[in-house]
Amino acid sequence: NAGVTQTPKFRVLKTGQSMTLLCAQDMNHEYMYWYRQDPGMGLRLIHYSVGEGTTAKGEVPDGYNVSRLKKQNFLLGLESAAPSQTSVYFCASSYFSGQRGPYYGYTFGSGTRLTVV
Amino acid sequence: AQSVTQPDIHITVSEGASLELRCNYSYGATPYLFWYVQSPGQGLQLLLKYFSGDTLVQGIKGFEAEFKRSQSSFNLRKPSVHWSDAAEYFCAVGVTNDYKLSFGAGTTVTVRA
Repeated sequence: NAGVTQTPKFRVLKTGQSMTLLCAQDMNHEYMYWYRQDPGMGLRLIHYSVGEGTTAKGEVPDGYNVSRLKKQNFLLGLESAAPSQTSVYFCASSYFSGQRGPYYGYTFGSGTRLTVV
Repeated sequence: AQSVTQPDIHITVSEGASLELRCNYSYGATPYLFWYVQSPGQGLQLLLKYFSGDTLVQGIKGFEAEFKRSQSSFNLRKPSVHWSDAAEYFCAVGVTNDYKLSFGAGTTVTVRA
């Protein structure tokens, strides 16, 4: 079982370039999430999805777009990268487990370190 | 909306000494509470979680946490730290009828010999 796999692990972009981060999970999880981690700010939610074909905005959605065309994949896009988007990006997935909501099986990927110069 | 506060940005502790990391939350009802650890350059690993029941929760690596409703706290403890416990620790909260975890800013733990 691979769990949650993020591609790529590292990337350097020039300002204005675009790119897509891929998150793939093989656990048949319904929910998927994209977070960014910055020093002193913890993890902040960018976008999330509660099922195939659905997406919703999190705390810091500006400058990002997402798509969930297949249940197992959640893509995060940067249309025109800015230095402020330099960060470590984490994907997570989870499933609904009754009274414990979607939190019992929350699983994180290993992260993508993105630098925008 | 719920929020999580970790008052300590950085803690330094001697190897073999005890460790306590503070976490306070803001929410009208009892939330679901979590502690994660992140070693340098690594992803997040779940240490322990609280959903209901016994307010003292045991986790991996010898960690435990206690939920105190009256103080809206979920502090993490370890009786004797090892050099390998040097890492960043995150408290997180989830609430009923929501889908996502909210994280605190993190506490960095340094272990000195």
